[in-house]
This record gives sequence, C-alpha cells and structure tokens, in this order.
Amino acid sequence: TQLLEQSPQFLSIQEGENLTVYCNSSSVFSSLQWYRQEPGEGPVLLVTVVTGGEVKKLKRLTFQFGDARKDSSLHITAAQPGDTGLYLCAGHQGGSEKLVFGKGTKLTVNP
Amino acid sequence: NAGVTQTPKFQVLKTGQSMTLQCAQDMNHEYMSWYRQDPGMGLRLIHYSVGAGITDQGEVPNGYNVSRSTTEDFPLRLLSAAPSQTSVYFCATGKKGGYTFGSGTRLTVV
Repeated sequence: TQLLEQSPQFLSIQEGENLTVYCNSSSVFSSLQWYRQEPGEGPVLLVTVVTGGEVKKLKRLTFQFGDARKDSSLHITAAQPGDTGLYLCAGHQGGSEKLVFGKGTKLTVNP
Repeated sequence: NAGVTQTPKFQVLKTGQSMTLQCAQDMNHEYMSWYRQDPGMGLRLIHYSVGAGITDQGEVPNGYNVSRSTTEDFPLRLLSAAPSQTSVYFCATGKKGGYTFGSGTRLTVV
C-alpha cells in the first residue's frame, strides 16, 4: 500500500497550458515536500509545507497543503518546456525522521 | 561546496559479488539516508541514520548493510548482490525542512 498517492502518473501538455498535480494520503503528515527530478539526476527540493491550509508560490508554481494535512497539490501556470520532469511529493509522519515518497508524476511540456 | 557526493556513478556486478556504494556530505547534517529508485516504484527508503553510530531500517532493508562512523560518510554495502538489486541508488542528507540528494549510482547486477 502506497502511503502517498500521486495523480496523474503521466501528463503531457502544450506550452502555455495550466496543470495541477495531486498528492493524497489517508494519513496525517507533519510536513510535505515537493521535489523535481530530471533524467540522470537526483531529486531537487522545490518547497516544504508544514501548516494545514498553507499556500506557497515559487514563480509560476503554487503549492497547497490541505487543511487536514493529508494532501497537497502543485499547480503550474503557463507551463514551459523547462518544467518537464518528474515531480515527487514526500512527507514525514509525526515525529518520524523517515521521509516517504509518492511514485511521482512525469510531466512533459511540448513546445 | 559539493553537497552530496556519490561514487561510483555506474557499476555492473555479477550475482553474488559484494560492493560498497559511497556517500559523502559536506553540509554537516546529522541525518543521512539511502533510497533506491525503480521504474514505477518511486523512491523507497533502504536505511537511514540520525547521527554517527546510529542507523535504522527503512522500507526495503533486506540485502543491504550500513554503518555511520563519521558525520560525513554513510556507505551502503551489498554483501551478495542479486539481480533484484538492479536499481538507481540515491543518498540524501538534510533536515526535516528538506533534503539534498546526490546524483545517484546506477547499479546493474547480472
């Protein structure tokens, strides 16, 4: 059983379109993180959200943590080819040091 | 600063051989961890450490050993490699606010 479910698994869109990626769980997380990974590289941290209902913006990317701290979303406005990559959500449960990952959303933005 | 350095980048092993994947960090973080990444499976935690002399198991620890004698280094040992251990391995360090990953070791066991 996957603790963090990401959807969709694959997403292929045209440059300029908007998109939303979801990260859902039945469990409560003390924090959730979003990473982006490009082929042949390790994941790179984009953002960490810790408070229920929190919204963080990173240029054209908007991250939201659910009020109950069980889910999160990533919204990209006017996607560009440079946004192409694997987007991973990850979270800590309670005081655990373990960081568990979802399976990721592979995004392709076509010119 | 290099951040997290993993060596080697690529390795081919025969079934039954042993090897050590190296991970070194210069960020002075107490926490270090090892993940494996397989197609369609995401990143799965193998072992982690919250400081020198302290290690614990993650989701998929079987077939792997770790030790942590210094803050900087966290090697991952495969005692008897199996084809099921073919994967890309990532080392990470940091605090709960976010981790820094190495660029990975791609291991093939034939």
